[in-house]
Amino acid sequence: KNEVEQSPQNLTAQEGEFITINCSYSVGISALHWLQQHPGGGIVSLFMLSSGKKKHGRLIATINIQEKHSSLHITASHPRDSAVYICAANTGNQFYFGTGTSLTVIP
Amino acid sequence: GAGVSQSPSNKVTEKGKDVELRCDPISGHTALYWYRQSLGQGLEFLIYFQGNSAPDKSGLPSDRFSAERTGGSVSTLTIQRTQQEDSAVYLCASSPPPGTIIETQYFGPGTRLLVL
Repeated sequence: KNEVEQSPQNLTAQEGEFITINCSYSVGISALHWLQQHPGGGIVSLFMLSSGKKKHGRLIATINIQEKHSSLHITASHPRDSAVYICAANTGNQFYFGTGTSLTVIP
Repeated sequence: GAGVSQSPSNKVTEKGKDVELRCDPISGHTALYWYRQSLGQGLEFLIYFQGNSAPDKSGLPSDRFSAERTGGSVSTLTIQRTQQEDSAVYLCASSPPPGTIIETQYFGPGTRLLVL
């Protein structure tokens, strides 16, 4: 059983669509991270959440601690958003990663 | 300012040799993380240093792996007697002290290790 489950595994969207990626975790966390990995391999940390909601530009991340669930939303998606999005649960001294959601946004 | 740097960027070695991978975190960052990503696989957590505290080594895949962080800054990940399954991209990240307004991890470009 994976400590972190992401869905969907793959996602194709038309430019402008609203996108949601889901993450469920089974461990107790100090924080939940959303990462973006571009095709070239570079990783960017998007959000670190311990409660509520955070927004950065067209990206919104929410977390429900009771339900052990987090979502990453992308509004007005753009082809440059195409990447793998990874959810990571930080237990305080360990990180557990989801397998990632591969997003392709078509012009 | 400079981001997280890692060296070497690529390393090819023969099975059984030892390798050292280096990470220079962002100045002032207290936390340093090592991860690896095997070809086509997801990220795997290896070890985490916070300040001068002893790291939790339970994420290291075997006793051939060790890591140290000298002076609370530069870190070295050492793999002894490398095996082909050690081939992966080894990523380092650092983050600012807890309580900083933007607590996020900054990733280095990674070291691509190939064990022949």
